[in-house]
Amino acid sequence: GAGVSQSPSNKVTEKGKDVELRCDPISGHTALYWYRQSLGQGLEFLIYFQGNSAPDKSGLPSDRFSAERTGGSVSTLTIQRTQQEDSAVYLCASSFRTSGVLQETQYFGPGTRLLVL
Amino acid sequence: TQLLEQSPQFLSIQEGENLTVYCNSSSVFSSLQWYRQEPGEGPVLLVTVVTGGEVKKLKRLTFQFGDARKDSSLHITAAQPGDTGLYLCAGFKAAGNKLTFGGGTRVLVKP
Repeated sequence: GAGVSQSPSNKVTEKGKDVELRCDPISGHTALYWYRQSLGQGLEFLIYFQGNSAPDKSGLPSDRFSAERTGGSVSTLTIQRTQQEDSAVYLCASSFRTSGVLQETQYFGPGTRLLVL
Repeated sequence: TQLLEQSPQFLSIQEGENLTVYCNSSSVFSSLQWYRQEPGEGPVLLVTVVTGGEVKKLKRLTFQFGDARKDSSLHITAAQPGDTGLYLCAGFKAAGNKLTFGGGTRVLVKP
């Protein structure tokens, strides 16, 4: 497909379990972002990957959250020992980012709705 | 505390009415974007404004970037039910790595 895809679309898990969320960015896009969105709210930045550079992890809320991007393409966001407050929609976005840019267009996936019981 | 404050948080109007959504910050941004998000989907970019004082029009939508590049507004003329959604502003700083999003304004246009 031409757009950003995410899987699963919905995930229900029990408190304390680990979950993995996957993002397939648009082919050729160098930048990949993960965001978290609570019900009807704005987006909270989590992590940013750009090419082969070290990721910007400044938005990760705790050490239970981690993410990796393999081969500069697919990314996985892992939440260990999930808590109820982790329930949210997790959105992935990709863009073709160049240095010195003043603006960029991020293309978002449909998100993964995570519910921690 | 949100770096970008959006107001109002929720707006319900009748079809045909006009509305304005505001996005304010104490910080200067290189550019500011507006997105619209519908239920079950990711945000979709509507417009990017770059120059202070810039005004862009997209059919019935008018976007303005403040002179100091700290604030922006979105004005919808003669709103239609299809305009219903969550409107998000997002600021970009060239020195940073990420967009900073506002808390969103939920717009409901009733037929």
